[in-house]
Amino acid sequence: QKEVEQNSGPLSVPEGAIASLNCTYSDRGSQSFFWYRQYSGKSPELIMSIYSNGDKEDGRFTAQLNKASQYVSLLIRDSQPSDSATYLCAVNPGGGADGLTFGKGTHLIIQP
Amino acid sequence: NAGVMQNPRHLVRRRGQEARLRCSPMKGHSHVYWYRQLPEEGLKFMVYLQKENIIDESGMPKERFSAEFPKEGPSILRIQQVVRGDSAAYFCASSPFRGDEQYFGPGTRLTVT
Repeated sequence: QKEVEQNSGPLSVPEGAIASLNCTYSDRGSQSFFWYRQYSGKSPELIMSIYSNGDKEDGRFTAQLNKASQYVSLLIRDSQPSDSATYLCAVNPGGGADGLTFGKGTHLIIQP
Repeated sequence: NAGVMQNPRHLVRRRGQEARLRCSPMKGHSHVYWYRQLPEEGLKFMVYLQKENIIDESGMPKERFSAEFPKEGPSILRIQQVVRGDSAAYFCASSPFRGDEQYFGPGTRLTVT
């Protein structure tokens, strides 16, 4: 069974600090990787996508992918209280499968 | 707003009734995905459709659930003879190409009484 694992948290980070969120996946053939943010009672919002090994930066967000270690991470710099949410890691396993496999999410709290 | 649209946003059904959930993808997107989020659980993929075709229904329960995406109009997720365990948030997502980034709609919260 293809799995995506995340630490459920809560992860508490002071305002202005770097928040580091981690995710591991079981299917070595996975092709593409996504981070979504979900506020309580709302729908997932796409933050970042990453397809190849290395880092990808977009504003305050950096996604990191290491396929050999089957590991994806998301860094949030200069954390703001509005970043407090649940962050979902999602993996597209490829190979004809089209639905994303989601982790259960990490609950992030930014302390003012 | 050219985002993914879903309706209704909230739906209450009694056990045994039918629920119909509708999804209109973002403009220019022809790939639609349905997911379910049960309370305290993660998002689970249900079905992937393109216009007039079901491409992948590996996550759909075998009974009572069906989906369609007709040539004209929104995608429909249909749940027949609902049971309390069907109470969940149902999200639709769309993408411009297969395997591309998926953008989610606001969801339909189904409550079965």
